Amino acid sequence: GAGVSQSPSNKVTEKGKDVELRCDPISGHTALYWYRQSLGQGLEFLIYFQGNSAPDKSGLPSDRFSAERTGGSVSTLTIQRTQQEDSAVYLCASSSGGRSTGELFFGEGSRLTVL
Amino acid sequence: KNQVEQSPQSLIILEGKNCTLQCNYTVSPFSNLRWYKQDTGRGPVSLTIMTFSENTKSNGRYTATLDADTKQSSLHITASQLSDSASYICVVSGPSGGGADGLTFGKGTHLIIQP
Repeated sequence: GAGVSQSPSNKVTEKGKDVELRCDPISGHTALYWYRQSLGQGLEFLIYFQGNSAPDKSGLPSDRFSAERTGGSVSTLTIQRTQQEDSAVYLCASSSGGRSTGELFFGEGSRLTVL
Repeated sequence: KNQVEQSPQSLIILEGKNCTLQCNYTVSPFSNLRWYKQDTGRGPVSLTIMTFSENTKSNGRYTATLDADTKQSSLHITASQLSDSASYICVVSGPSGGGADGLTFGKGTHLIIQP
């Protein structure tokens, strides 16, 4: 596709369930980023991939969060045993440039609501 | 600590009027400064990217300025339209900024254009 695609666009789940959020970046973009945006707050960095590797996972808020990227393309963000404080919009972005230099193209986000 | 501060937090103006949004940062060293527009329920979209050597950059009715000496940037919107209603996010890039993404995000200015 022409842009970054995220799915699902909306997800409502019960506390304690696991969720998977998917990001399909722009074809050819080597860098992929995940951010979290809570209501009225700025973007919170979660993780960054260059190719399939994530050099720094310290942005993930807890060990319930994990992310992987396969084939240098699609990425999945997994949240295990969801908590109500995980409710937020999860944004994915991709870039053809290197870390901190390339323009970011964002998807429309996955809105997660944990009941 | 590297920071990006935006002001005002929110702004309401009448359609057709001009406005200026401010961004002050402490990120050093500095690679580039970006302005994004985020419509409600959508992902951020890039408006401008400026390196330290650029003082002014325009994108239609949007004009960004940068003073790397005082570490200040502004986004000027001319002849505002209802579609300009959005959050405007300032993002500063640098090798030591933010997380592994090298980006430090401001919390944004929420702009409302009234007819």
